[in-house]
Amino acid sequence: GENVEQHPSTLSVQEGDSAVIKCTYSDSASNYFPWYKQELGKRPQLIIDIRSNVGEKKDQRIAVTLNKTAKHFSLHITETQPEDSAVYFCAASKWIRSYQLTFGKGTKLSVIP
Amino acid sequence: GAVVSQHPSWVICKSGTSVKIECRSLDFQATTMFWYRQFPKQSLMLMATSNEGSKATYEQGVEKDKFLINHASLTLSTLTVTSAHPEDSSFYICSARDPLGVDNSPLHFGNGTRLTVT
Repeated sequence: GENVEQHPSTLSVQEGDSAVIKCTYSDSASNYFPWYKQELGKRPQLIIDIRSNVGEKKDQRIAVTLNKTAKHFSLHITETQPEDSAVYFCAASKWIRSYQLTFGKGTKLSVIP
Repeated sequence: GAVVSQHPSWVICKSGTSVKIECRSLDFQATTMFWYRQFPKQSLMLMATSNEGSKATYEQGVEKDKFLINHASLTLSTLTVTSAHPEDSSFYICSARDPLGVDNSPLHFGNGTRLTVT
């Protein structure tokens, strides 16, 4: 089955700096890669996603890049703010129609004011 | 936007009792729903895939007789934790696939249910 590795497990940045979280996946057939932000005790919130036919996607301060050859994808958050502090999960889905997700282990991001 | 309602948001039960968790898609028909379990400070682990009108598909290591899943309609899936034990205490989250959400947000998560078994 699919295996998703996520690094780092914790990340602390100063407010205004950039944060980068990286994930690798094992199944070359995976074609949908969402990123979720989860605050304590709450549901995961989709912040951005990318499909295998695209190499990069950006939404304001958030961007995701995908390297299909290397099977890795990354989340980039620029101009970080304290409210960006949360746990971020990457995920991969093998079949674009079923969206059965395999999650990474998560990254706890702390933005220091 | 599409909303998935999960109920209850938290429940405390005694060991040996059963607990039912409901997951409803409020404004779309979800042919497929997923149930995840999340232990503290850990990731979401897929328990099973629930398809309307058919038996759920369970992930390896998940006891189907303990975690009963019913997807009787296009808007409702239920997870029943039978004979609950303290080790079943966890955060259970459902997600529903919106078949029309191809380009945006194809999956919608419920708010989760915090189960505590005493």
